[in-house]
Amino acid sequence: AQSVTQPDIHITVSEGASLELRCNYSYGATPYLFWYVQSPGQGLQLLLKYFSGDTLVQGIKGFEAEFKRSQSSFNLRKPSVHWSDAAEYFCAVGSLNQAGTALIFGKGTTLSVSS
Amino acid sequence: ETGVTQSPTHLIKTRGQQVTLRCSSQSGHNTVSWYQQALGQGPQFIFQYYREEENGRGNFPPRFSGLQFPNYSSELNVNALELDDSALYLCASSLVDRAAEQYFGPGTRLTVT
Repeated sequence: AQSVTQPDIHITVSEGASLELRCNYSYGATPYLFWYVQSPGQGLQLLLKYFSGDTLVQGIKGFEAEFKRSQSSFNLRKPSVHWSDAAEYFCAVGSLNQAGTALIFGKGTTLSVSS
Repeated sequence: ETGVTQSPTHLIKTRGQQVTLRCSSQSGHNTVSWYQQALGQGPQFIFQYYREEENGRGNFPPRFSGLQFPNYSSELNVNALELDDSALYLCASSLVDRAAEQYFGPGTRLTVT
């Protein structure tokens, strides 16, 4: 069955430090992969997506992610974290569900930023 | 470009009641998906609608039902509410040929007492 694992429940980084959030997926075919961010009480904002092609994808707010098929991973990175990046981050894989396409989400990683 | 909107923002219902949540798609999008997000969890797929028909469904009972209208707006209906239905309900819209690329609304917080 398709699944997404985010091994880190909570991460704290200092402002200005680099960030890497881990994501591993289980999917039988070439996956569609996504990272979303959710601020408290808000909906999900799409940070970046991978459909095919270049395995290093750039997103909004200075985020990037790298698809590694051999490791079934799609880790999110940012070279320098800002206090406003504190939020919940979700990795998701797009799964064909009969005729439709569902997103399967991980349980999320909470990012705290210390000054 | 208008994003996905949802109403109401918050809702409190009693166990056994019925509820209807509403969603307006992002401009130009023709596919709508609904998700349930329990506290501290990732969103769970409920179902997807395209051309006013259900186009895929997750592991939710039939008391969760939906509608999509000709203008691509959508409703989520939940009958016989249970305490475990308390959650944030998220609507997402997309284009049918890129249905996995979904854009989410702010959600409706449902509390069942």
